[in-house]
Amino acid sequence: GIQVEQSPPDLILQEGANSTLRCNFSDSVNNLQWFHQNPWGQLINLFYIPSGTKQNGRLSATTVATERYSLLYISSSQTTDSGVYFCAVVKYSGGGADGLTFGKGTHLIIQP
Amino acid sequence: EADIYQTPRYLVIGTGKKITLECSQTMGHDKMYWYQQDPGMELHLIHYSYGVNSTEKGDLSSESTVSRIRTEHFPLTLESARPSHTSQYLCASSEYGRYGYTFGSGTRLTVV
Repeated sequence: GIQVEQSPPDLILQEGANSTLRCNFSDSVNNLQWFHQNPWGQLINLFYIPSGTKQNGRLSATTVATERYSLLYISSSQTTDSGVYFCAVVKYSGGGADGLTFGKGTHLIIQP
Repeated sequence: EADIYQTPRYLVIGTGKKITLECSQTMGHDKMYWYQQDPGMELHLIHYSYGVNSTEKGDLSSESTVSRIRTEHFPLTLESARPSHTSQYLCASSEYGRYGYTFGSGTRLTVV
C-alpha cells in the first residue's frame, strides 16, 4: 500500500515562531488532507489539498503532486497550535478500501 | 460544526463486557469508516462501509464488528471487551472522497 512519511517527528517552538511540516507519499494520490489532533484527541480537518496551494488565516498548505509531497506552514505560532499534525492520503484503486492512510504525525509543542 | 457524532466520548468498562460505540452522521454520506488509534500513534483503518448493508474489514485486524442498517448510522460492537482493546476509536464519513473525510470526536475506550 501507499506509504506516508512525515517530518520532523517532533518540534518544539517558542510562541510567535514560524514552522514548516512536510509530508512525503510513495504514490500518486487522489486525496490529501492535513489534520490537527488536539490534546483531547479530536481530529480537526485543516486542509483538503490533493494539489495546489491553500491558505486559512495563519495556516497554509502546498501540495506538489508530481513530486509526491505536501507542506504545511504555520506562521506566528500560538500555544493553541500545540498538538499532533497528521497528513493522510488516499489512492482510489477501483476496489477495496479507500480509507485514508495516515502518517505518524508531527508532535508540535508551542511554548509561551 | 460537527456533522458526525460519536458517543460516548469516554468509556471505562470491565473485561468481558459487551459494548457498542455509536456513530451517526447527518451529511447523507454513503461511505463511513472506523479507525483505531493508540496514544501518540497514527490512525489505522479497521472497518468501512460503502452504504446500507455493506461492511468490510480494513487494513488493521480487529475483533470488533460493525453494521450499517441505516445510511446515517454505523455502530461498532465489541462482544467481549479485553484490556488489549483499550484505544481511541474514531468514526469518519466521506462523499466518494471528493470533498475530504470528516471525523467525529472519537471514543476513548479503557478496558480494566
